[in-house]
Amino acid sequence: QQQVKQSPQSLIVQKGGISIINCAYENTAFDYFPWYQQFPGKGPALLIAIRPDVSEKKEGRFTISFNKSAKQFSLHIMDSQPGDSATYFCAAMGGTGTASKLTFGTGTRLQVTL
Amino acid sequence: DAGVTQSPTHLIKTRGQQVTLRCSPISGHKSVSWYQQVLGQGPQFIFQYYEKEERGRGNFPDRFSARQFPNYSSELNVNALLLGDSALYLCASSLGQLNQPQHFGDGTRLSIL
Repeated sequence: QQQVKQSPQSLIVQKGGISIINCAYENTAFDYFPWYQQFPGKGPALLIAIRPDVSEKKEGRFTISFNKSAKQFSLHIMDSQPGDSATYFCAAMGGTGTASKLTFGTGTRLQVTL
Repeated sequence: DAGVTQSPTHLIKTRGQQVTLRCSPISGHKSVSWYQQVLGQGPQFIFQYYEKEERGRGNFPDRFSARQFPNYSSELNVNALLLGDSALYLCASSLGQLNQPQHFGDGTRLSIL
């Protein structure tokens, strides 16, 4: 019940296009959903996050869409740029206990081509 | 402002040895969490510490231990190293204990020969 499923595993998008990455979760106690961007040799960097009381959050070219009833959320990257080429992880946090642990998806390797 | 800093950046050990990894959180952050990231996978939760107390432990053997110091820095110790312990070990810090944004360092790359 702690799983977060992420798709696709890899994604190739042309410069200027829209990149879409999807995640689904099972644990209804999750109440914080961040997205992280990771470049090779670096740690994950917090990109954008949402809580389930809103259905959409936008920061610059990055938008999270959240569907509580379907237990799904997605990341949209508008006007994708070669510098966006990285691995993206969705994650979820919340639930029982006294710890705040992030449960991560399996990652999506995004390549933005010229 | 400095982000989360981890040391060392790379480490090579042999099976059976022990290792200590270090983490300094963002200034003002009181919680530190440790994650293991195996190549090609998402990070897996190991521990969370808040105000020097363990607040959570992931599904890792007792060979893994950690502690947090009064200045909120933290150490992760792994004993009796196995080949399968080869991974990127990530430290994340957050302001508080529950459901706060976690910010990661660049990790320690541990290789076991």
